[in-house]
Amino acid sequence: EPEVTQTPSHQVTQMGQEVILRCVPISNHLYFYWYRQILGQKVEFLVSFYNNEISEKSEIFDDQFSVERPDGSNFTLKIRSTKLEDSAMYFCASRQGWVNGYTFGSGTRLTVV
Amino acid sequence: KNQVEQSPQSLIILEGKNCTLQCNYTVSPFSNLRWYKQDTGRGPVSLTIMTFSENTKSNGRYTATLDADTKQSSLHITASQLSDSASYICVVSADNNDMRFGAGTRLTVKP
Repeated sequence: EPEVTQTPSHQVTQMGQEVILRCVPISNHLYFYWYRQILGQKVEFLVSFYNNEISEKSEIFDDQFSVERPDGSNFTLKIRSTKLEDSAMYFCASRQGWVNGYTFGSGTRLTVV
Repeated sequence: KNQVEQSPQSLIILEGKNCTLQCNYTVSPFSNLRWYKQDTGRGPVSLTIMTFSENTKSNGRYTATLDADTKQSSLHITASQLSDSASYICVVSADNNDMRFGAGTRLTVKP
């Protein structure tokens, strides 16, 4: 069964450093998403991406965050200057069409120290 | 305000027993409701998706119900197994496809 692949599975970074979280969505999917889940809390929407542009973003997704689909395969989330409160599990998700279900990746655990 | 509330927060049951998890929502206009299973440290995996016209949907030992009038859904797990231990998340989508996640119910199945 097709999977959404995320790398790395765990990243530790120092506060103020830039991090890039990588995702390979399912190949025929058209809609891409990033979510995060702070330990013990609910999953929160960050951003959705369609047709090579951001279609929606949440209040969490401020100027420190950016997304790219540089090569038509990878879908990346960049945090420019990490803060301690950015520590969370970051999930990438994709889906084929507007009415299809979402497939989530296994997540990247980001720890900012 | 679009909200999804789940109960109970956590639940411990013995292997082989049944259980029912609840989801109440205020998301409007309603598009669909999904139940996800999330193992610790993993991404959510879809169990069922229900639209406005569907009242009941089964997926193996999982049966989801939806009452769109009262804006309530339940997930019933039959003959629980140790591998059912996970968080079960109710996600409700509005017509604009805005997804709202519940906080989840943490289920622990003990031998």
